[in-house]
Formats: sequence, C-alpha cells, structure tokens
Amino acid sequence: AQTVTQSQPEMSVQEAETVTLSCTYDTSESNYYLFWYKQPPSRQMILVIRQEAYKQQNATENRFSVNFQKAAKSFSLKISDSQLGDTAMYFCAFMKHDGGATNKLIFGTGTLLAVQP
Amino acid sequence: SQTIHQWPATLVQPVGSPLSLECTVEGTSNPNLYWYRQAAGRGLQLLFYSVGIGQISSEVPQNLSASRPQDRQFILSSKKLLLSDSGFYLCACDRGTDTQYFGPGTRLTVL
Repeated sequence: AQTVTQSQPEMSVQEAETVTLSCTYDTSESNYYLFWYKQPPSRQMILVIRQEAYKQQNATENRFSVNFQKAAKSFSLKISDSQLGDTAMYFCAFMKHDGGATNKLIFGTGTLLAVQP
Repeated sequence: SQTIHQWPATLVQPVGSPLSLECTVEGTSNPNLYWYRQAAGRGLQLLFYSVGIGQISSEVPQNLSASRPQDRQFILSSKKLLLSDSGFYLCACDRGTDTQYFGPGTRLTVL
C-alpha cells in the first residue's frame, strides 16, 4: 500500500521569502502522479501543482515549483516570494497510474503554512 | 471547466438522526465522482467513488452509504449518525484524467 508522509506539521515564513515544504512517499509503483493541494481557511481544496513520475523535469507553476527526487521518493514544494494569501494547509498527495477508470488519491496529513507580514 | 456544488455548507445533527449530503457537478459529463472525509487536523480519506450512474465503490467500512441517481449527482447518506461521523466532507470529480477537482465541502457536526 502507498503512504504519503509530511513531517512538518507547521511552518512559518516571512512575506516575500522562500519556503520549502517536504513530502516523502512509499510505493512500489513505477508510474504515478504526485500533487500538492492547498486548503486555505475557507477549506476549499485547490490544486497547486502536479508532477508525472515519468517526467524528469520538475513542474513549475508561477511562484510554485517542486523538487521531485524519484529514487529518494521525495516531492518537496517550494514557494517563492511568499504572499499573505499563501497562508493555508498544504497537502501532498499520491495517485497510482494504472490506466483504470478511477484515480484514488492518497493524502499526507498536511503542513500548516503561516505567512507572516 | 467543471464546477462542483455541495449542499449544505454546514450541518449540525443529533446522534441517531439521518443524513443526506448532496454533490452536483456542472460543466462536464460522465465524470468520476468521489466522497472524501477530513477529520479535524488530518488529511483526507476516500470514502466512496463512482464511475457512473448507480455504480458505487466503498473504500472503508462505515456507517455511511453513497448513491448516484444521476450522471452529475452524488449523494452521501446515513440512516443513523454517530459522533464519529463528524468531519468535513468533500466531493471531487475528474474526467478519467489524473487530476481531481474539489467542491467547497460540508462541515458536519454530530452532537
């Protein structure tokens, strides 16, 4: 069974600085996807970024980028130029890719990020 | 792009009462639909998923059930709520691709 571990329950960063959130996962699969979702105080889950395991290039979305280390089973999220609106719970998630009709997400326990003014 | 609606947004129910949470999807057809529960301070746990009308798969044994009476409608139910059913319930959908999108959620408190 796959597991996702986020070892940092809480983090804090000053506005405009850079912060990295850690995520490790355990799987025997070779083909899968990894995601970072953001859950602000409204509790709406918002997709931040996704990474296909077969791609060596790290995904980037504006101020958000990942460091995907497949051999180490590590998938960290870097947030550059942090903004107050980045304050949220961040979840790392794993999805096996087997060509099936359904896609089951397995979530970590989350990291609560507070951006300080 | 799809829009997911969930109703109600907040619900307070006594132990032993029935439950019905609704999820509807706009802007897409034949979606895969999912119900997740988020307990306080925890990540999300998949409860049910559906690939089509009347097709429901359960991930964990529990006091809840799900139904899909229409293509873009997914309902989470219980005949008798337990205290442990309290939590934040999220509906999600995808089109058979790898990315799920979530609704705004329903906060359920069982007293």
